[in-house]
Amino acid sequence: AQTVTQSQPEMSVQEAETVTLSCTYDTSESDYYLFWYKQPPSRQMILVIRQEAYKQQNATENRFSVNFQKAAKSFSLKISDSQLGDAAMYFCACPKNNDMRFGAGTRLTVKP
Amino acid sequence: DTGVSQDPRHKITKRGQNVTFRCDPISEHNRLYWYRQTLGQGPEFLTYFQNEAQLEKSRLLSDRFSAERPKGSFSTLEIQRTEQGDSAMYLCASSLENRASGYTFGSGTRLTVV
Repeated sequence: AQTVTQSQPEMSVQEAETVTLSCTYDTSESDYYLFWYKQPPSRQMILVIRQEAYKQQNATENRFSVNFQKAAKSFSLKISDSQLGDAAMYFCACPKNNDMRFGAGTRLTVKP
Repeated sequence: DTGVSQDPRHKITKRGQNVTFRCDPISEHNRLYWYRQTLGQGPEFLTYFQNEAQLEKSRLLSDRFSAERPKGSFSTLEIQRTEQGDSAMYLCASSLENRASGYTFGSGTRLTVV
C-alpha cells in the first residue's frame, strides 16, 4: 500500500523560532525523491525542498531543512527562524510509479 | 512561460450538469497530472499523461470523469452529470520526465456543485 502520513494536522510556532513537521511514508521505489510542498491560503502549491533517497546528506534550502531517515521512512521538515509568511499548509509527497502521493497536510500557524 | 494555467478559477454548477476544466502546462513539460483536493486534505491523484498518452487513472476517476491531452500540450478534465460530492479543488500539475524536478502546480479550479 502506498501511504504518506503526516501525523500533525496543526502546528504552531512563534515568529523567529524553529518548528519541525513530521512525515512518514511507504514506497516500493528503489530510487526516489521526496518533496515538501507549501500551500498558502487560497494560493497555489509551491515546492519547498526535495531530498534524493540515495543521498545521505540532508537537503537544505535557506531556512528549510529536512531530517531524512531512510530506514525509518521518515522525512521531516524543519523551518528555522520562522516568519509570518511561512504560515500555510505543508504537504509531504512521495512517489508512486510515475506520479506522487501526498499526505493530508499540516497547517502551520506562525504567531507574531 | 508563466507557469501552469488553469481555467476557470471557479465554477458553480447545478447538480447533473457537465463541466469541463482546462489546464495549460509549462510548455517543455511532457508530463501532466490531475489531482483533486477537498478542504483540509492533501491532493488525491486522479490521472496522469505523458505527452498525449494517458498512462494511469485512479479508481477515484469514475466513469463520469474523462481527461484528454490531445496534442500533448493542454489538457481538459470533464465531469459529466455532476454530483455534490464532486465539489472540490481540481489541481493540475506538470513536470519534466526527470524525477528530481518535482511538480509545478496551477492555481486550481474550484468546483461547487449546488
